[in-house]
Order: sequence, then C-alpha cells, then structure tokens
Amino acid sequence: EIVMTQSPATLSVSPGERATLSCRASQSVSSNLAWYQQKPGQAPRLLIYGASTRATGIPARFSGSGSGTEFTLTISSLQSEDFAVYYCQQYNNWLLTFGGGTKVEIK
Amino acid sequence: QITLKESGPTLVKPTQTLTLTCTFSGFSLSTSGVGVGWIRQPPGKALEWLALIYWDDDKRYSPSLKSRLTITKDTSKNQVVLTMTNMDPVDTATYYCAHRRLELPFDYWGQGTLVTVSS
Repeated sequence: EIVMTQSPATLSVSPGERATLSCRASQSVSSNLAWYQQKPGQAPRLLIYGASTRATGIPARFSGSGSGTEFTLTISSLQSEDFAVYYCQQYNNWLLTFGGGTKVEIK
Repeated sequence: QITLKESGPTLVKPTQTLTLTCTFSGFSLSTSGVGVGWIRQPPGKALEWLALIYWDDDKRYSPSLKSRLTITKDTSKNQVVLTMTNMDPVDTATYYCAHRRLELPFDYWGQGTLVTVSS
C-alpha cells in the first residue's frame, strides 16, 4: 500500500496570502496525484489531477506541482471560500490511497 | 451532467450487514473505462477508499476490508450496491460514492450518507 503523508496538518493563513501544502508518497506515483478540497458538510471536490492539471472550473489561483514522491498544492492568494481541508490522493495503482489532510484555517 | 446519490440506512446495529445503493445519472456503467467507487469518512477523520467496480465488472477492494465488502452493479438501473458485513461502531462514517474513469481520479461525488453503528 502506498502511504500518502500530508503536511502540515493545519496551516494558518491570512486572506490574500499564499498557502503551500505538501504531500509525500511512500513510493513513486509518477504524476498520478490528485488534490481535493472539502468544506464542512460537503463532499470532496476535485481540484487538481495529473499532479498539475486543474479540474474543470477550478480558479487559476490553485496550482499543483511535483512528480514521483513529492507534491505541492499552492493557493496563490487565499480567498474566504478557500478555507477548508485539502486531501491528496494517489491513483497510480489499483489500491487508491488518500493523505490525512491539511486544514487551511484563517489566521 | 453527472450526478450520484447514496441511499441506505442511517443506523445499523453491530454485527448487522450494511447495504448502500449509489444511484447515478449522466453516464453509463457500460461505457469503456468508467468506474464507480465507494469512499468513507469517519467523523472528523480522513477519507478512506473502500471499493471500485468498472464497466467490465472488474472489482477492486481495499485489502483491509476485502473480507467484509461486496460491490455489484446494475447497469440497467444505473445503480451500484455496496454491502459491508459485520458492522462495528468504528464503521460509523459518511459513505460516498464517486465516478472515475480509468487512470483518472474521482471527479464526481455523491453528497454522502452518514451511517451510524450503534446498538
């Protein structure tokens, strides 16, 4: 099983600032890495797939990078609606795994 | 427009079997490359993938839960059913179904259904 580790667990950021979230895989997942956003009481929403491709309708302030075992999600200028929990997920093999999540909270 | 919706009991007793149904629209589970999966999330915790079924009836299960899970599809009804045996309070979670295509992540999710396991 590929273990996905996200850091930090909680990120305190002021509106308008940049947020950088990390995700590490226990073995290479190539670029088969997705990021999801989840708000309280809602289902996860796909933000990024293929490590760096934004899903349909996702604003350009969200960007993803990395390959292999190290990945980053960057939110360039946090808006009020971006405060949420973010999960990474690898889909490189049939045993799909998620990270533990990073909560982005208002500083 | 792709939509999915989960249905099933909100409360089950320990040792009982849980049966959840995912009813979807906007795609066909007979289309090559299409799959529907189940993911759960205990209150305040992370997401956990449970099972997947593909258009060709290929089925995949989380190894840690494989002995308790069965996933089936009814293409004519646009439904996917997940059964989980021997339910325990630690299985209390919101259960989601979601759409994916081969080599891509889950792109459409249902709203989720909270299942509580308690006597």
